[in-house]
Amino acid sequence: DQQVKQNSPSLSVQEGRISILNCDYTNSMFDYFLWYKKYPAEGPTFLISISSIKDKNEDGRFTVFLNKSAKHLSLHIVPSQPGDSAVYFCAAAVFYNNNDMRFGAGTRLTVKP
Amino acid sequence: DSGVTQTPKHLITATGQRVTLRCSPRSGDLSVYWYQQSLDQGLQFLIQYYNGEERAKGNILERFSAQQFPDLHSELNLSSLELGDSALYFCASSARPELSDGYTFGSGTRLTVV
Repeated sequence: DQQVKQNSPSLSVQEGRISILNCDYTNSMFDYFLWYKKYPAEGPTFLISISSIKDKNEDGRFTVFLNKSAKHLSLHIVPSQPGDSAVYFCAAAVFYNNNDMRFGAGTRLTVKP
Repeated sequence: DSGVTQTPKHLITATGQRVTLRCSPRSGDLSVYWYQQSLDQGLQFLIQYYNGEERAKGNILERFSAQQFPDLHSELNLSSLELGDSALYFCASSARPELSDGYTFGSGTRLTVV
C-alpha cells in the first residue's frame, strides 16, 4: 500500500529558479512529515521536517508547506542551485510510532546551470 | 561520513544463498532501523531495534531476520535468496525513538542476486 506518493519521478529547473517538489499521503493518522535528500552512492540525509500543528516550516532556502485538508505537502527550494540536484524523498509517520515511517518513491531533481 | 557504517557496500550472490549485512550505528545511537529500496521504489521499512530489543517489524519476509548486539551493531540476515531480493538495503540510526532529528542513514549495501 502506497500511503505516501510522489507522483513526479523527475523535475528539471534552471539555476536560480524555484523548485517545487510535491507529496501526497492517504493516512490521516500521519502527524509528522520529513524530506530527505539522496545523492548517488550515499544514504538519504535529513533535510527538513514539519509537524501537523504547523502549515509551514522554513530553513534557509528550503520551505516545507503542509495542507492537511488536502493531505498534501510540498518542498520549495529557492533559489535552486546545481548542488541541489539529487533524489528527494518525502516521508510521513505518526510521531510516537516513528518505527512505521513511510517513504515516497522519490523525485529526481536536476538543477541546470 | 554520516557516522552510520554499512558493510559490505556491494554484494553479488546466487539464488538460494544466505548473506549477512552489517550496520554500525552512529556513536551514542540506540535505535537501528533497516530499510529496503527496490528499483524505483521508496524505502520500505523492514525492522527496528532499540538497545538490543526488537521494537517493530514492517514488511520483512520470514526468510529475513535481524538482531542487534550488545555493542549496538546490527546484522540483517537474508536467506534462501531470490532474484526479487536484489535491492539497496539501508540501515539508519537515531539516538532515541523520536523523529525531531530524523534518522541518520548509512550509504547502503547493494545486493544483487543472480
